[in-house]
Amino acid sequence: SQQGEEDPQALSIQEGENATMNCSYKTSINNLQWYRQNSGRGLVHLILIRSNEREKHSGRLRVTLDTSKKSSSLLITASRAADTASYFCATDRGSTLGRLYFGRGTQLTVWP
Amino acid sequence: DADVTQTPRNRITKTGKRIMLECSQTKGHDRMYWYRQDPGLGLRLIYYSFDVKDINKGEISDGYSVSRQAQAKFSLSLESAIPNQTALYFCATSDRGPRSSYNEQFFGPGTRLTVL
Repeated sequence: SQQGEEDPQALSIQEGENATMNCSYKTSINNLQWYRQNSGRGLVHLILIRSNEREKHSGRLRVTLDTSKKSSSLLITASRAADTASYFCATDRGSTLGRLYFGRGTQLTVWP
Repeated sequence: DADVTQTPRNRITKTGKRIMLECSQTKGHDRMYWYRQDPGLGLRLIYYSFDVKDINKGEISDGYSVSRQAQAKFSLSLESAIPNQTALYFCATSDRGPRSSYNEQFFGPGTRLTVL
């Protein structure tokens, strides 16, 4: 079964706007990761946040984690058309063995 | 050159045929994974391997088998392909080491498989 559930399933915005995607999960975790997938291509790792971290930044990306609510959000600021992609969250369900459990993704479309 | 490569990139086959998808990596990672992706369902794990002698079933292993021929190679086989195995298949790798608990995975470009 899917561990992460992204919300919304689809998001459409204009260039320059901010995009916020959410992820909820059900078990304890060591870390939560966000990946990006351009249409029909492999996933690319964006950012990882550990369970003892609350916020992390990487360029125009900001990730928050609330372990009490078992939820995370990915914010992309000043979106560009090139940000159009699917975004997935993934958790380890508390294991350090290497398995990841992916959500179903949010399809982000950024219009020029 | 890509760190994780998959062959073939596209394949059309018929029901009942045996097919093998291959994955090679130059990252030197011990851990390798096979996922399938279907529209609206995200990625589901088929098999994973933590080293050459360690193979584990994932969520949806029925109808699939794997072979870890070397640290760098991990093949996925469909012994008798059926139409509902039509999907996008991804290979991924991850490191084992001091930072292994971080579990970042590196994905290949995918194989689009169509079973008629």
